[in-house]
Amino acid sequence: QVQLVESGGGVVQPGRSLRLSCAASGFSLSSFAMYWVRQAPGKGLQWVAVISFDGSNKYYTDSVKGRFTISRDSSKNTLYLQMNSLRADDTAIYYCARDRGGYDSAFDYWGQGTLVTVSS
Amino acid sequence: DIQMTQSPSSLSASGGDRVTITCRASQSISRYLNWYQQKPGKAPELLIYAASSLQGGVPSRFSGSGSGTDFTLTISSLQPEDFATYYCQQTYTAPRTFGQGTKVEIK
Repeated sequence: QVQLVESGGGVVQPGRSLRLSCAASGFSLSSFAMYWVRQAPGKGLQWVAVISFDGSNKYYTDSVKGRFTISRDSSKNTLYLQMNSLRADDTAIYYCARDRGGYDSAFDYWGQGTLVTVSS
Repeated sequence: DIQMTQSPSSLSASGGDRVTITCRASQSISRYLNWYQQKPGKAPELLIYAASSLQGGVPSRFSGSGSGTDFTLTISSLQPEDFATYYCQQTYTAPRTFGQGTKVEIK
């Protein structure tokens, strides 16, 4: 069955880096657009980054442009989010999610989330 | 990016109540509108896609309607397990943006 499992979260000092992973099973990452979505404590959902199904397009929300990089390793069927120059306002639970695309496009599978805390 | 605005931000209701949440898009998105439910400590779950289609396994008391810029999520008879936060999302274009959420609390 389809499963997404995030890892890599933790406590990090401002200005440092962290890499999140999202291991996919039950489907190929190369067939779907994939998103990173975050949720700050007590706040709503915010899309962070997206990679198109073929990897040719990547988009970032304005607040992370130039600091975060989304990528994937097809051989490992794993999605990544490299986060550099972390700031306190990056503190959030980070989810990866699959966009099934098409007319009924929706995020039909989500990971369990990984918590990133940026604090000195 | 397309902006999504939900109202109200929160509401209090009792079991058995009919609840309606609205979502407005900053431009026409046809029927490319989804609704998610999120319970504390859990990832969001898809309830409704394409404005009115029920995701598999979702109870029929949930329904969605609308097109263009204005959409609604209705819970016909609120059950204890429905107390949660609900988010709308547009999938008309990338990036897929969310509304700010509506928290449904127990009165």
